[in-house]
Amino acid sequence: GQNIDQPTEMTATEGAIVQINCTYQTSGFNGLFWYQQHAGEAPTFLSYNVLDGLEEKGRFSSFLSRSKGYSYLLLKELQMKDSASYLCAVRDRDTGFQKLVFGTGTRLLVSP
Amino acid sequence: ETGVTQTPRHLVMGMTNKKSLKCEQHLGHNAMYWYKQSAKKPLELMFVYNFKEQTENNSVPSRFSPECPNSSHLFLHLHTLQPEDSALYLCASRPTGGAYEQYFGPGTRLTVT
Repeated sequence: GQNIDQPTEMTATEGAIVQINCTYQTSGFNGLFWYQQHAGEAPTFLSYNVLDGLEEKGRFSSFLSRSKGYSYLLLKELQMKDSASYLCAVRDRDTGFQKLVFGTGTRLLVSP
Repeated sequence: ETGVTQTPRHLVMGMTNKKSLKCEQHLGHNAMYWYKQSAKKPLELMFVYNFKEQTENNSVPSRFSPECPNSSHLFLHLHTLQPEDSALYLCASRPTGGAYEQYFGPGTRLTVT
C-alpha cells in the first residue's frame, strides 16, 4: 500500500517563502502531484514531478527525490490568496495511471 | 459552462431519504471519479469509470450507487445513508492514459441528519 505524510498546518507571513514537505512510501512510484484547495472549492492542479529535481512555475516550485521518498512545494512571495490547503498525491505503477493516493493536506495560513 | 460542474452544491438529507448527486464535465475526458473528503482525512477514492465502464470500486458500501450513462456525466445515487457519510463529495475527470492530472469539480457538501 501507500503512505503519505505532510504537516497538518503551517503559518507564514505575506511576502515570505514557505516550504511544504511531503514524504511517501510506495512500492512502484510513478509520479507525484501537488494540488491547491481553497475552502469550499475544487482542488486545482499545481505541479507534477516524476523525475528527480526541481520544477518551477512562477512563484511555485516543486521538488522530488525518489530515493528519499520526499517532495516539497515551495511558495515564494506569499500572498494572502495563497491561504489554502495543499494536497500531495502519489501515483503508483501497481495501481495504474488512473489512481492517485492523497495525503491529508497541509493547511497554510498567510497573515499580513 | 467549462470544466467540471457538480450539483447540488449543498445537500441535507435524512437517513431514510433517497437523493442523487450529479457531475458533468465539459473537457472531453473519458475517465471520471468520485471521491469522499472528510475533515482531517485524505481524499478517499470511491469509484472510477473509464469510457462509461466502472473500473474501480474502492470497497464502497452499497448505499452509494454510481451511474455513468456517458463519458460526460456521472451520478452518485444515495439511499439510507448514515451520519458518518456526511462529507464533501468530489467528482473529477481526466483524459484516459498518460500522465495527465485530474480535474476536480467544486464538490457537493452532504449532511446526513
